[in-house]
Amino acid sequence: QQQVKQSPQSLIVQKGGIPIINCAYENTAFDYFPWYQQFPGKGPALLIAIRPDVSEKKEGRFTISFNKSAKQFSLHIMDSQPGDSATYFCAAAENYGGATNKLIFGTGTLLAVQP
Amino acid sequence: EPEVTQTPSHQVTQMGQEVILRCVPISNHLYFYWYRQILGQKVEFLVSFYNNEISEKSEIFDDQFSVERPDGSNFTLKIRSTKLEDSAMYFCASRVGTISYEQYFGPGTRLTVT
Repeated sequence: QQQVKQSPQSLIVQKGGIPIINCAYENTAFDYFPWYQQFPGKGPALLIAIRPDVSEKKEGRFTISFNKSAKQFSLHIMDSQPGDSATYFCAAAENYGGATNKLIFGTGTLLAVQP
Repeated sequence: EPEVTQTPSHQVTQMGQEVILRCVPISNHLYFYWYRQILGQKVEFLVSFYNNEISEKSEIFDDQFSVERPDGSNFTLKIRSTKLEDSAMYFCASRVGTISYEQYFGPGTRLTVT
C-alpha cells in the first residue's frame, strides 16, 4: 500500500523529444506528489510537485499530469536537452502539514537525452 | 540560495565501528529527515525529527541507529555498530514547516563499510 510504482526503468530520447515517466500508487491518503532529479553522486533535487486538487502543473519545461481516479501521475519534459540526462524519481507523501510527511520514492527512471 | 550541507562526503569504516554522519539543515527549517540509497536503488526513508524528538522511523532504523540535534544548527545520524549492509548513500533533508511539504536534500554522505 505504501509503494509507488515507477516506469520505465530507463528511457532514451533524442534532443527535443518529450520523455514521459509514469508513476502509480495505491494509498489514497497520499496528498503530495513531487518529482526529484538526481545527477550521479548528488542528492535528489526537487523539480516540481503537485497536490491532488489540480490535474496538471507546469513549471518551465516540466509538467506533471495527475489522474486522481486512476491513482497515477506522470512527468513530461518538453524540448528535452542533453543536460536533462539524469535519474528521475517520483515520490508521494501523506498528511499535509503533519509532523512526518515522509517521502515514499519510486524506483527511479534513468533518462538519457541524446544530442 | 540556502542549502542543506553534509559532512563527510565519503566515510570508510570497518564493520562494527561507530560512525556519525553530520548535516546542517537549512537554517529556518523545523523538520529534519534521514534517507538512504543503496547503490542503484531507490531512496528509502529512515527517520523524521521534529521538536527535538523522532516523529517517525522506518523498519530500517533499528536500535543501532540514533539521531540527535546537539545544537541549533547540526543534525546527526549515528550508527552504533556498522554492518556491511549499511553501505549506502545517506541523505539528510529538511522542510521549513507545516506550511509546506517541500523537502530539500543535501548532497549525501557515501558510507562504505568494509
